[in-house]
Amino acid sequence: EAEVAQSPRYKITEKSQAVAFWCDPISGHATLYWYRQILGQGPELLVQFQDESVVDDSQLPKDRFSAERLKGVDSTLKIQPAELGDSAMYLCASSQGLGRGSYEQYFGPGTRLTVT
Amino acid sequence: SQQGEEDPQALSIQEGENATMNCSYKTSINNLQWYRQNSGRGLVHLILIRSNEREKHSGRLRVTLDTSKKSSSLLITASRAADTASYFCATGGRDDKIIFGKGTRLHILP
Repeated sequence: EAEVAQSPRYKITEKSQAVAFWCDPISGHATLYWYRQILGQGPELLVQFQDESVVDDSQLPKDRFSAERLKGVDSTLKIQPAELGDSAMYLCASSQGLGRGSYEQYFGPGTRLTVT
Repeated sequence: SQQGEEDPQALSIQEGENATMNCSYKTSINNLQWYRQNSGRGLVHLILIRSNEREKHSGRLRVTLDTSKKSSSLLITASRAADTASYFCATGGRDDKIIFGKGTRLHILP
């Protein structure tokens, strides 16, 4: 069964350092999402891509976070500089995409970020 | 911001019993989805119910939706130890974006 891949699974970094996460969605899925999940909370959307275009990044802290999906396939989320409050689980998900009538999202295993 | 709000926040039941979780939301929706998350892992899609549906079944899962009350419930029958997880409802519009609630932590006791 096809899965969403994410790496690394765990990342420990010092504050003010740069960190990057990678996601490879299910083949053929046009829509890709990055979420942040704080312990004990539900995931919150950071950015949504449709193919290579950003559909929604209204909750992305753009002074320190950036995301790209250059060829409309895999994606990278970067934080620079990292702050203590960025410690969280970062989840990537994909879905078939707009207008295809299938709204289910498929999640990767996540990257657990700890900022010290 | 989170639209869905699950109730209860935590639930412990004996193995074999049924577990019921509720979700309330504020604005109109296109669909409502339920996801499961095992500790420290990614989310797994369980079931989707569209706004024009009232009830849906999938194995031991039963989901209801009452759009007039803006609420949904997830029933897990004959619970098993493997059902121990957090369960999230997520409300969806027509734009492929979903908004998650804070979740219900379910613990199945042996």
